[in-house]
Amino acid sequence: SQTIHQWPATLVQPVGSPLSLECTVEGTSNPNLYWYRQAAGRGLQLLFYSVGIGQISSEVPQNLSASRPQDRQFILSSKKLLLSDSGFYLCAWSPAYEQYFGPGTRLTVT
Amino acid sequence: GIQVEQSPPDLILQEGANSTLRCNFSDSVNNLQWFHQNPWGQLINLFYIPSGTKQNGRLSATTVATERYSLLYISSSQTTDSGVYFCAVNAGGTSYGKLTFGQGTILTVHP
Repeated sequence: SQTIHQWPATLVQPVGSPLSLECTVEGTSNPNLYWYRQAAGRGLQLLFYSVGIGQISSEVPQNLSASRPQDRQFILSSKKLLLSDSGFYLCAWSPAYEQYFGPGTRLTVT
Repeated sequence: GIQVEQSPPDLILQEGANSTLRCNFSDSVNNLQWFHQNPWGQLINLFYIPSGTKQNGRLSATTVATERYSLLYISSSQTTDSGVYFCAVNAGGTSYGKLTFGQGTILTVHP
């Protein structure tokens, strides 16, 4: 069966520091991969998606970037964090249409 | 882009009660999913239901694609049903795989 992992689970970083969040999927090949952010409150917003290695599409302009160095690895990065980058970051994968989410990383920028 | 509206925004129930959550969307969709977000933040897949009706235990869902809405039914609610319920849709076309989420319904079930 397929499993999706995210780490770290929680992170507290100062403003201006770099960021690297990792997402890996097991038990499947060539999945579509997604990064979402959930700010305090409710709805999730799609940040990036990838349909293959090295193929990244950005949904919103921001302080973040994404990379897919391997088929089942998706990384979210920032060179300098802003206070507004705080939130709950969720990675998701999809074989076709239905999406499955990882446990998330809770980021607090201080 | 496609708009997704969920109602009610908040719902408080006593254990054992039934409830209906609604999701309206503004355009035709090729994917509609219902999720439950538990207190730890995990998004749990409830249904993949772009059309038709599905049931899973005490939960069932119906999507009427031609009228652009979906309903999630929770029967005999339990305290463990508490959390946030999200509806998310994908409109297809150039929005490849992208899920647009509603703002959610916060459900609180009291013992």
